[in-house]
Parts: sequence; C-alpha cells; structure tokens
Amino acid sequence: AQKITQTQPGMFVQEKEAVTLDCTYDTSDQSYGLFWYKQPSSGEMIFLIYQGSYDEQNATEGRYSLNFQKARKSANLVISASQLGDSAMYFCAMREDLNSGGYQKVTFGTGTKLQVIP
Amino acid sequence: DAGVIQSPRHEVTEMGQEVTLRCKPISGHDYLFWYRQTMMRGLELLIYFNNNVPIDDSGMPEDRFSAKMPNASFSTLKIQPSEPRDSAVYFCASSWTGKAQPQHFGDGTRLSIL
Repeated sequence: AQKITQTQPGMFVQEKEAVTLDCTYDTSDQSYGLFWYKQPSSGEMIFLIYQGSYDEQNATEGRYSLNFQKARKSANLVISASQLGDSAMYFCAMREDLNSGGYQKVTFGTGTKLQVIP
Repeated sequence: DAGVIQSPRHEVTEMGQEVTLRCKPISGHDYLFWYRQTMMRGLELLIYFNNNVPIDDSGMPEDRFSAKMPNASFSTLKIQPSEPRDSAVYFCASSWTGKAQPQHFGDGTRLSIL
C-alpha cells in the first residue's frame, strides 16, 4: 500500500476561490508528522505547513490550513483566497519512525499540480 | 541563515563521464537526504544519512550511484559512469531529528547527460 496518496494529479481553481488538495496516509505509528510542500515552476521546494499526529487543532499558516482527520488518515491542504502565485506542484509528506534503530523516515506523495485561473 | 547549498546548479556532461554532486546541509542538522526528480518518476528518495551514517540506500538505482557524507557539513552523490537516463534534478535536503521537523531543500542540481 502507498504510504502517502495524492489522488489529484492536477486541479484548477479560480482566483480568489478556496481549494482543497487531498492527501491520505498509511501508518501504524501513533506518533508521526505530516507536512505540505510547494514547488513552483522555478523548481525550489518550499515547506508550507506541519501537523502533528497528537495535535488536536488543525494547523494554520496564513492562507494555508490543514484539514486533519486522524480516523480517516487524511491531511488535506486548504488554500483560501487563491492567488496566481499559488500555481505550483504541492506535495504531501509524512515523517515517522523507521522500524528499527531509532531513526526516522520521510515519505512523499506523488504531488498535485494546482493551476490558478485569473 | 544560510540554507542548504548545492553545487553545481547545472551540469551538462557526456555519457560515460563521472558526475559528482555536492551538498552542504544547514549547520546543526543531523539528517541529510538525497532525492531525484523527473517528470516520469516524480520525486524519489535515493539515500539518507543520520549523523553522517547512511541509514537507507534502498532508493539508489544501481551500483553506478554512490553517496558519502565524510563530515556533518558535506555530502556528495556520485554517478560513475553516467547515462542519459540519469538526467534529472537532484535535490539535497537536511533537517533536525524529530517527527515535527520539516526538511529544508537546496535549490537542486539540474543534470543533463548527453
């Protein structure tokens, strides 16, 4: 099974509208971290937002919020009031313990390409 | 603060040549990751280190690829001999230990093998 699943390869949203990018994950750990990154066409990877598995409140960072539903194992990114500069690839990622050795591993989804239409 | 520094930014070389990509992580970070990104395969984790020790290299495509981290401030990814299918953007990322810690990515090296 995929550890991180992003089912929307591409999405369109009208400028100033809100958009939700889906992410589901699979883990047997009780403690893990969930992250969203943005990759604009210029290529750099930009960290957007973090949600801890024990956090009771949904994370928010400006226009970004994370709709965390632990029982459903989903961590959807919500972008409010979309701007043209939000057009980019968005990746969901999970950080959890490796099975042995006390180390951690990070798994990325395949990404969603968001295009904001004027 | 300086971010993750990768060099070179662009590399164009002929098939069969040795390629060395370099990465300087953020000072104090104890995890270092190497990724490869292509249109066909997306973002792939190649190898990662903790405290300079390789933890998981199962993503390294084949023996032509090798990575080292001789000290906390430097890592290399080497391809020898290079092939056209190795053409990709290679990212280095670093982080602190902790499941709440995001990765900080370098700007990537765009590699073209002719």
